[in-house]
Parts: sequence; structure tokens; C-alpha cells
Amino acid sequence: AQTVTQSQPEMSVQEAETVTLSCTYDTSENNYYLFWYKQPPSRQMILVIRQEAYKQQNATENRFSVNFQKAAKSFSLKISDSQLGDTAMYFCAFTSKTSYDKVIFGPGTSLSVIP
Amino acid sequence: DTAVSQTPKYLVTQMGNDKSIKCEQNLGHDTMYWYKQDSKKFLKIMFSYNNKELIINETVPNRFSPKSPDKAHLNLHINSLELGDSAVYFCASSQMTGGFAEQYFGPGTRLTVT
Repeated sequence: AQTVTQSQPEMSVQEAETVTLSCTYDTSENNYYLFWYKQPPSRQMILVIRQEAYKQQNATENRFSVNFQKAAKSFSLKISDSQLGDTAMYFCAFTSKTSYDKVIFGPGTSLSVIP
Repeated sequence: DTAVSQTPKYLVTQMGNDKSIKCEQNLGHDTMYWYKQDSKKFLKIMFSYNNKELIINETVPNRFSPKSPDKAHLNLHINSLELGDSAVYFCASSQMTGGFAEQYFGPGTRLTVT
């Protein structure tokens, strides 16, 4: 069974600094997608970034980038120039190409950006 | 224009009551989901429908019954509500074809059972 682990329940970062959130996953599949979702206090789930496992290049979206290490089954999220609006729960998620219908979420990391 | 909408956003009710949560998506997606987020923020899938057909039914009490009248709607009916049902329920949708599996979430429904 696939699992997603986020080992940091809580993190904090000073405004304008850089922070990295960790995620590891376990799967025997070769083709899959990985995601980072953000849930601010408004509770809306927002997709931050996605990575397709067959792509070697790490995905980047503005201040957000990932470090995807397929062999190590690691998928960390780096937030550069942290802003107060980045304060949120961040969830790492996995879905395989053979089961788009099922997304496995990690337990989340609560990130606080300190002014 | 709201992509995935849920009603109501808040629901407070007493134990033993029956309640429904409605979900609609205007994205043309073929798959819809219900998730439960508990007090520790853990998000777990409950059900998934593809083109009105149930394809995932996780270990959920049979007091929970999803219904999909069409591709754009997925409702959740809960019978005999219990204290442990208190949670935030999220509806989501995605398009299974086309090699892209991003899920779009509704705003959530906070259910409080007293």
C-alpha cells in the first residue's frame, strides 16, 4: 500500500527567508504524480505544485520549487522569500497513474511565517 | 465563478439526526470525491465516483451514503449522526483522462454534532 510521510508536524520561518518541508512516500509503482497542497486558515485546499514521476526536472512555480529524488522516494518543497500569506498547513500527496481515483495525503506540516 | 461548490459551509446538528451535504462542480470533470478531515487535520478519502459510478468506497460506516445524480453533482447523506462524525468534509473533482490528476477542492463543510 502506498503511504506518504511528513516528518515535520510544525515549522516556522522568518519572513523573506527560505524554508524546506520534507515528504517521503512509499510505492512499488513507477508512474505516479506527487503534489503539494496548501491549506490556509480559510481551510480552502489549494494546489501549490505538482510533479510527474517520469520527469527528471524538478517542478517550479514562482517562489515554490521541489526537490524530487525518485530513488530515495523523497519530494521536498522549498519556499523562497517566505511571505506572511504562506502561513498554512502543507500537505504532500501521491497518486499513481493506475489509480487516479485515489489520492493519498500525508499528515501535513503546519508552517508559520513570522514577521 | 466557483469551480467546486459545497452547501452548506457550516452545519450544526444533534446526535441522531440525518443531514445532507451537496456538492457541484462546473469544471466538466468526470470524477468526484468526498474527503473527511478530522480535528488533527488528517485528510482521508471516503468515496470516489467516476461518471456517476462508485469506484472507491473506503472503510466508512454505512450511515454515510453518497449519491451522484449526474457527473457534476455528488451529494453526501449521513444518517443517525454521531459525535465522531464532527469534522470538515471536502468535496473534490478531477479529470481522470488526459494524464493529469490534479484535484480541485470545494471550500469544505464544517459539521458539528452536539
